[in-house]
Amino acid sequence: DADVTQTPRNRITKTGKRIMLECSQTKGHDRMYWYRQDPGLGLRLIYYSFDVKDINKGEISDGYSVSRQAQAKFSLSLESAIPNQTALYFCATSDLLSPSTDTQYFGPGTRLTVL
Amino acid sequence: GENVEQHPSTLSVQEGDSAVIKCTYSDSASNYFPWYKQELGKRPQLIIDIRSNVGEKKDQRIAVTLNKTAKHFSLHITETQPEDSAVYFCAAVAYNQGAQKLVFGQGTRLTINP
Repeated sequence: DADVTQTPRNRITKTGKRIMLECSQTKGHDRMYWYRQDPGLGLRLIYYSFDVKDINKGEISDGYSVSRQAQAKFSLSLESAIPNQTALYFCATSDLLSPSTDTQYFGPGTRLTVL
Repeated sequence: GENVEQHPSTLSVQEGDSAVIKCTYSDSASNYFPWYKQELGKRPQLIIDIRSNVGEKKDQRIAVTLNKTAKHFSLHITETQPEDSAVYFCAAVAYNQGAQKLVFGQGTRLTINP
């Protein structure tokens, strides 16, 4: 889905470095999410934002921070990267149509390696 | 909070046979259950979903069933084809302080053997 983009697509960095992953969307959705994917662990929620002034921690927020710069932009930062943060990171958006549906549209993913 | 368990973690079937992936959830308040498919190197995409007011939903070769009493739901793929090979994720909506978000299962890697 080209409406949700992520930069960079691949990044190799060293322990202790600060890293920022960026997500942009043209779908006009209010809700944005950051997930981490590890083999055998599925998609785990790091942070989510329901509008520009709203930021919420997910199940694995330790070591991460986020910034919602605008409706269309949601950035994830690793202040001091460590090797166990090596993973595939996905941004997603959704537009709550009703209280019981929440289709999420994912970006292409960022593969991050921390050496 | 919500916990979603998905089984099996890997599944291999012969082309043309059926495949079934099962998930259980813990929060009885959950009322929306989507399934996502992730092809190799691609992003997850929604393939089918079901709401708690129905027990079954079909879309061509895929179907999802829901048993609210037992708190489990399943994905059924019939007449499997090579393009069905992918990782499949189930999910359930979780409610926390008035906000809702999805909790995903661990994923099932489905391989269709020709």
